[in-house]
Amino acid sequence: DADVTQTPRNRITKTGKRIMLECSQTKGHDRMYWYRQDQGLGLRLIYYSFDVKDINKGEISDGYSVSRQAQAKFSLSLESAIPNQTALYFCATSDLWGTRTDTQYFGPGTRLTVL
Amino acid sequence: AQRVTQPEKLLSVFKGAPVELKCNYSYSGSPELFWYVQYSRQRLQLLLRHISRESIKGFTADLNKGETSFHLKKPFAQEEDSAMYYCALSGRTGNQFYFGTGTSLTVIP
Repeated sequence: DADVTQTPRNRITKTGKRIMLECSQTKGHDRMYWYRQDQGLGLRLIYYSFDVKDINKGEISDGYSVSRQAQAKFSLSLESAIPNQTALYFCATSDLWGTRTDTQYFGPGTRLTVL
Repeated sequence: AQRVTQPEKLLSVFKGAPVELKCNYSYSGSPELFWYVQYSRQRLQLLLRHISRESIKGFTADLNKGETSFHLKKPFAQEEDSAMYYCALSGRTGNQFYFGTGTSLTVIP
């Protein structure tokens, strides 16, 4: 589903470097999310945003920050990358279904390696 | 508190055999349950949701409120079903959404 795109798709960086992962969506959803996926640990929520002015920490926000530049753009930054942040990162969007979070639509993922 | 539990990290079945991926949840009230799937080198995508009550790719899932379960079932597994499966829950309010830790299904030819 090309409605949710992520850049870059792959990134190798060194410990201590600042990294930004970008996510764009054309689905018109207000809600956007950043997850990381690790082998054996599944999908874990880093940050989520319900609109441009509403940003919330998820389960594992330490070491990460986000910026919601517009409804369609949600960036994830690693201020000072460390090796245990090596993972597959997914962006997702969703609409509301009544008061509930509806189906989430995922981007293709960014594979980040921190050496 | 763990809201969504998938007890099996890995599951292997033979082609043609029945498959059941377990999902249990903890939530007071009426949740909306989802199954997402991630095939190799593809993005995570919705497989089915309980309110739709439909069968997708031969998979079904019934919400059992008494047992607080939403197990995913297919009577005859196919090789193309090999993938990572995540159970997810959406609660009454927008900030109540939880994913399980996932089950990696391998269908052996």
